[in-house]
Amino acid sequence: KQEVTQIPAALSVPEGENLVLNCSFTDSAIYNLQWFRQDPGKGLTSLLLIQSSQREQTSGRLNASLDKSSGRSTLYIAASQPGDSATYLCAVIPGNTGKLIFGQGTTLQVKP
Amino acid sequence: NAGVTQTPKFRVLKTGQSMTLLCAQDMNHEYMYWYRQDPGMGLRLIHYSVGEGTTAKGEVPDGYNVSRLKKQNFLLGLESAAPSQTSVYFCASSYLDSVDEQFFGPGTRLTVL
Repeated sequence: KQEVTQIPAALSVPEGENLVLNCSFTDSAIYNLQWFRQDPGKGLTSLLLIQSSQREQTSGRLNASLDKSSGRSTLYIAASQPGDSATYLCAVIPGNTGKLIFGQGTTLQVKP
Repeated sequence: NAGVTQTPKFRVLKTGQSMTLLCAQDMNHEYMYWYRQDPGMGLRLIHYSVGEGTTAKGEVPDGYNVSRLKKQNFLLGLESAAPSQTSVYFCASSYLDSVDEQFFGPGTRLTVL
């Protein structure tokens, strides 16, 4: 059974710092991996989607990498800002199912 | 485009009452999903649909029914609400299943007393 783990569960950093959020999954047979952002009391906003054949995706200050063989993905946030404070969720689609399996999320606080 | 919308945003039910949550998308997506989010459990798939007129069970389907009579709408029903169904419910959609990103609605916060 596919399981997704995100470490750390919470992270607090000063503004301007570069940071890395980690996501690991137990079964490397995935179709894609998606990173989301969730603000308190809000829905999920898709940040980046990495197909299984890709190694990384970039959007602005965000860069996500994927290493299927080791079952790991990282989300790199450059020059963090207070507006980046949110919970970041990692999710994978195992096999040809279309069903997202989510991690528990990392709650990020960026202090001014 | 409004994207994915959900109604209502909040609802309080008494045990045994029924209700329907409505999800609508205007992106012409084939696939639609219902998830629930609970503290410590993360998001879990309840039911999903691969196209108009189709539905399938997800990870936690018990106590819920769904219908997809129109491509743009996906309804989630609770026939007899239980306190264990207190949760935040999210609807999502995608154009294809495994290769396309899923877009989420703003959620419905349901409390069952």
